[in-house]
Amino acid sequence: SQKIEQNSEALNIQEGKTATLTCNYTNYSPAYLQWYRQDPGRGPVFLLLIRENEKEKRKERLKVTFDTTLKQSLFHITASQPADSATYLCALDQMNSGGYQKVTFGIGTKLQVIP
Amino acid sequence: DTGVSQDPRHKITKRGQNVTFRCDPISEHNRLYWYRQTLGQGPEFLTYFQNEAQLEKSRLLSDRFSAERPKGSFSTLEIQRTEQGDSAMYLCASSLGGGPAGELFFGEGSRLTVL
Repeated sequence: SQKIEQNSEALNIQEGKTATLTCNYTNYSPAYLQWYRQDPGRGPVFLLLIRENEKEKRKERLKVTFDTTLKQSLFHITASQPADSATYLCALDQMNSGGYQKVTFGIGTKLQVIP
Repeated sequence: DTGVSQDPRHKITKRGQNVTFRCDPISEHNRLYWYRQTLGQGPEFLTYFQNEAQLEKSRLLSDRFSAERPKGSFSTLEIQRTEQGDSAMYLCASSLGGGPAGELFFGEGSRLTVL
């Protein structure tokens, strides 16, 4: 069966450190892998997208890696700040049997940055 | 504001009543998604429209759920004979493109509480 696994336990880190979140998947062949941020009671907000032929993508303090052999993506936030505290969702963008792109989300990892 | 808007933001209803949610996507976006999210879970795919065509409906949805997107513009999601298990946040997202879905733009969601 298809699975997207993110660490369901909250990640607590000290301000200024690098946070690393993991997304593993099985039985998917995504064209894109996306990361979103979600604050309580709000809709998800897009952060970064990485294509299957890309190894790494950066945007300001954010970095995403994508290993299609390991079927894993790592999401890094460097110099973390309390304002980075949120839930981070991994999403796979894959062509499905119906011939269109379907975006499927993981459970999310809650990040808490401690001042 | 030219983002995705959803209405109502909150709905409290009694079991057995019908409810309808509306989503206005970004005007030039041809793709529209509905997701459902419960506490501690990631967004769960419900249905997808490309223009006015509903291309997929999740098997998780019973016949009590119906969605429309007349003229490929706004969309409505109706739940008939609501049950307590329908209590959740209903999220709408839109995107533009003919290939991979790419970035999804989410609304702030419609929170349903069934008493």
